[in-house]
Amino acid sequence: AQRVTQPEKLLSVFKGAPVELKCNYSYSGSPELFWYVQYSRQRLQLLLRHISRESIKGFTADLNKGETSFHLKKPFAQEEDSAMYYCALHTGTASKLTFGTGTRLQVTL
Amino acid sequence: EAGVAQSPRYKIIEKRQSVAFWCNPISGHATLYWYQQILGQGPKLLIQFQNNGVVDDSQLPKDRFSAERLKGVDSTLKIQPAKLEDSAVYLCASSLASGGGTQYFGPGTRLLVL
Repeated sequence: AQRVTQPEKLLSVFKGAPVELKCNYSYSGSPELFWYVQYSRQRLQLLLRHISRESIKGFTADLNKGETSFHLKKPFAQEEDSAMYYCALHTGTASKLTFGTGTRLQVTL
Repeated sequence: EAGVAQSPRYKIIEKRQSVAFWCNPISGHATLYWYQQILGQGPKLLIQFQNNGVVDDSQLPKDRFSAERLKGVDSTLKIQPAKLEDSAVYLCASSLASGGGTQYFGPGTRLLVL
């Protein structure tokens, strides 16, 4: 069965500091990984997907199949990055998403 | 384009009562999802529709939860009777049929069962 683990419930960093939100997954097939974000009083929305290999709002994430990880990184945190971040695993032809428990990123001055 | 719409936004009921939630997906999105998000947890898929057919309802507590999408557009999720542990945010999402993992979420309905 598939599983997504986000070990940190809360990550607090100073503005300008590097950010790394950890995500590990368990899946026997070929994984597709996503990061979703929920800003305060907004709905859950897609941040980025690994197959796009893109940088969104300065965030990047690399799929490491050897370590079964998909950590989200940003070199310099901004106040507007404060939000709840969910890692999600997409499996099967039915387009099922399995979410982690989320990490709250708090960027302080 | 208009986003996924859900109503009501908040609902408070007593245990053993019934409740229903409504969702209208983005126009043209064939796939509709209902998730349950308990406080401190990530969203958990309850049921997935492709047009008006059920694709996955393996995690839906069928003794008390039901959902339908009769015309392949909007959908309702019902709980009857509600239990205390059903207190959660119920999220509706939609995607294109070939949308992969890209899903568009509604604002959610926050349910409190007393």
